[in-house]
Amino acid sequence: AQSVAQPEDQVNVAEGNPLTVKCTYSVSGNPYLFWYVQYPNRGLQFLLKYITGDNLVKGSYGFEAEFNKSQTSFHLKKPSALVSDSALYFCAVRETGNTPLVFGKGTRLSVIA
Amino acid sequence: DAGVIQSPRHEVTEMGQEVTLRCKPISGHDYLFWYRQTMMRGLELLIYFNNNVPIDDSGMPEDRFSAKMPNASFSTLKIQPSEPRDSAVYFCASSLRLGKGGTQYFGPGTRLLVL
Repeated sequence: AQSVAQPEDQVNVAEGNPLTVKCTYSVSGNPYLFWYVQYPNRGLQFLLKYITGDNLVKGSYGFEAEFNKSQTSFHLKKPSALVSDSALYFCAVRETGNTPLVFGKGTRLSVIA
Repeated sequence: DAGVIQSPRHEVTEMGQEVTLRCKPISGHDYLFWYRQTMMRGLELLIYFNNNVPIDDSGMPEDRFSAKMPNASFSTLKIQPSEPRDSAVYFCASSLRLGKGGTQYFGPGTRLLVL
């Protein structure tokens, strides 16, 4: 069965520093991986996805994620964090073609000025 | 496009009352999903539809929960009778397709409080 893990409930980073939000996955075939962000009192917003091709995927708001097949990871990164990046981040995976995304439990990112 | 629309945005009700949550998916999207978010359990998939037909309702917690999609532009999630443990944020999402890179787009959610 497909699954995704976000090992950190909370990540704190100073404004201007690089940030990383971790995600690992488990699938038996090829994964399709997604990142979403949820701001307070809002729905989930799509950030980026990996389907195939280049392992480094660029998305909205300056975020990027790196697919690492050997480590089964898909960490979200940003070179310089902003206070406005503070939110809840979800990693999600799809293995087979026509199934809904399976979401991780989320990681709360707090960027401190 | 207006995105996925949900109503009401907030609902406060008393235990035992019927609650109906509504969703309008993005026009042209063939898939519709209902999720529930709580602090304890995170984001749970309750049910999803393809072309108005329920495909998987294994996530529906109890018989008190029911969902319908009478047409391509409208879906409801009903809880009858409601209980305090149903308090959560309920999200509706839609997708043009699921295969490979099919992206699910979420509505703003309905925050339900059952007293």
